[in-house]
This record gives sequence, C-alpha cells and structure tokens, in this order.
Amino acid sequence: GENVEQHPSTLSVQEGDSAVIKCTYSDSASNYFPWYKQELGKRPQLIIDIRSNVGEKKDQRIAVTLNKTAKHFSLHITETQPEDSAVYFCAAIPYSSASKIIFGSGTRLSIRP
Amino acid sequence: GAVVSQHPSRVICKSGTSVKIECRSLDFQATTMFWYRQFPKQSLMLMATSNEGSKATYEQGVEKDKFLINHASLTLSTLTVTSAHPEDSSFYICSARDQGRGLAAYNEQFFGPGTRLTVL
Repeated sequence: GENVEQHPSTLSVQEGDSAVIKCTYSDSASNYFPWYKQELGKRPQLIIDIRSNVGEKKDQRIAVTLNKTAKHFSLHITETQPEDSAVYFCAAIPYSSASKIIFGSGTRLSIRP
Repeated sequence: GAVVSQHPSRVICKSGTSVKIECRSLDFQATTMFWYRQFPKQSLMLMATSNEGSKATYEQGVEKDKFLINHASLTLSTLTVTSAHPEDSSFYICSARDQGRGLAAYNEQFFGPGTRLTVL
C-alpha cells in the first residue's frame, strides 16, 4: 500500500522568511496530493492540493510542487506570518484506493516573531 | 456548502462502557465516509471506510468488533467504541466525500470537527 514520508517533523522560521516541507510517496498510482493545516484540537483544513497531471500550483503565499518521477512533492510558504504556525500534513490518495487518504507524519511549523 | 458535523465534541466515560460518535454530512450526500484516529502529536490514522448500506472496510490492525461502524443513511455514519479502555482515549475524526461535486473534486474530502474521547 501507499506510504507517505514527511520531513522535517518540526520547523521554526523567522516571520517573513519562507518555509518548505517535503514529502515522498511510494505508490506510483497515487494521483492526488492534498496538504492540510491543523491547529490544536481542530479539524484538518485543506490549504492546497495538486493532481498528478500538474507539476506546480500556487495560491497566494502557498505553492506546491510535484515531481512524479522522483515521487516527491513539497509545500512552500512564503512571507510567513504568525498565523501560519500549526501542524501541516501532506497526503496522498492512490487512484485505486476509493479515496482513502494516506497522511504523512506531520510538520509542526513555528513562526518566530 | 460541504459541511460535516460530529457529535459529541467531547466525551468522558468509564472503562468498560461503550461510546457512540455520530458523523453527519449536513448539505450533501455521502455514500462513503472515513473514520480516523489521532493520538497526541501524531498523524491521522485511517481506521475504516464506512459504506452506506453495506459493511465497513477496516484497516489492518483495527478490530471490527471493538469499533462498530454503521452507515444507515446517505448523511449519517456512526462509530461505536465498545468496552472502551484508557488506551482508546484519542481524537476521532470523520470525513466524507461530496460525490455530487463531480470528477474535478472527486478526491476532496471534508472533515468533521472531531470528537475527543477520554476513557477513565
């Protein structure tokens, strides 16, 4: 089955700097890669997603890149702000999995003022 | 649109009792819902896939007799933790897919707010 690895587990950046979180996946049949932001005690919130037919997608300060050959994808947050502090999860959905989401282990992002 | 609710939001129970958690899709129909468990500072782990009108599909290592899932309608799935023990204390989250959104949004899922279960 699919396995998603995520790095780093914790990340601290100065406000205004960029943050990058990287993930790899194992199942070449995976075709949908969402990223979620989760604040303490709250539900995961979808912040951006990318499908396997696209290499890059951007939404304001957030961008995601996908390298299908290498089976890795990354989240980039630019001009970080205090409200970006949260846990971020990458995920993959294999095409044949009936939409089961396989989550990475999470990255705790802290923005230093 | 695409709102998922869960009830209760918090529950504290004694060891050995059973607890039922409800997951509802409020403004869409969901033939498939998913149940996750999240321990503190860990990721979400899929427990089972709930299928309307049929048996749930459990992930490896999840006891189906302990975690009973019923999906009796297109908007409601329930998870019952039977004979709960302290090690079952966790954050339980459901999600649902809005199949009415078409192929472009086929994989997007909407999460409930979660239920924090504490077993004493």
